[in-house]
Amino acid sequence: EDKVVQSPLSLVVHEGDTVTLNCSYEVTNFRSLLWYKQEKKAPTFLFMLTSSGIEKKSGRLSSILDKKELFSILNITATQTGDSAIYLCAVFIQGAQKLVFGQGTRLTINP
Amino acid sequence: DGGITQSPKYLFRKEGQNVTLSCEQNLNHDAMYWYRQDPGQGLRLIYYSQIVNDFQKGDIAEGYSVSREKKESFPLTVTSAQKNPTAFYLCASSRQAFYGYTFGSGTRLTVV
Repeated sequence: EDKVVQSPLSLVVHEGDTVTLNCSYEVTNFRSLLWYKQEKKAPTFLFMLTSSGIEKKSGRLSSILDKKELFSILNITATQTGDSAIYLCAVFIQGAQKLVFGQGTRLTINP
Repeated sequence: DGGITQSPKYLFRKEGQNVTLSCEQNLNHDAMYWYRQDPGQGLRLIYYSQIVNDFQKGDIAEGYSVSREKKESFPLTVTSAQKNPTAFYLCASSRQAFYGYTFGSGTRLTVV
C-alpha cells in the first residue's frame, strides 16, 4: 500500500523562528513529490521535486528530496503569522496517475 | 478565466439522504479527482477519472458514487451508505498529474 507520512502533525512556534517539516514515503512507483500550503480552502502549490539533492527555493521557503532515504523536508525561515497553515506533502504515483497525500502538518505561528 | 468550480460551498443534509456535489472545470483537463478531508487531516482519495466514461475507486470509495459523462464534469454522490459523511470535499483536475493538480475551492458537507 502506498503511504506518505508527515511529521510533526502539529507545530507551534513564535514569529521569526525557523521550522522544518518532514515527509517520508513508501510507494510502489515514485515519480515526484509535491508540497502544498492550505490556509482555508483549496491547497496552493509550493514545490515539486523529482531529483535527489537539488534544493528548490522560493523566498523564505525551501525544500529538498532524498530518494535514497525516501524523504523530503520543507524549511521555512524567519516565519511570519501568514505562514500559519496546514502543509501537505503528496507523492505522484506513476502508472496509477494519482497523488497520495500525507496527513498534513498544522503549523501555527504566534506573534 | 479557466478554473474549477465546486458547488455549493456549504451543504446541509439530513442523515439517510443522498446528496450530489458538483465539480465543473473549463481547463480542458483529462483527469479529475475527488478527495475528502477531515478536520486537521490530509486528503484521502475517493474516486478519480482519467478519461470520459471511465473512473476508478480510490482509497475510501465505499458509500460514494461518481459519473463522468462529460470531460468538464465529475459529480460526486454521497449516499446514505456512507457512515460518516460530514467532511470537506475537494475536487481537482490535471492535464498531466505529474505537474500537480488544480483544486476547486471545496464543499463543506454537514449531515445532521
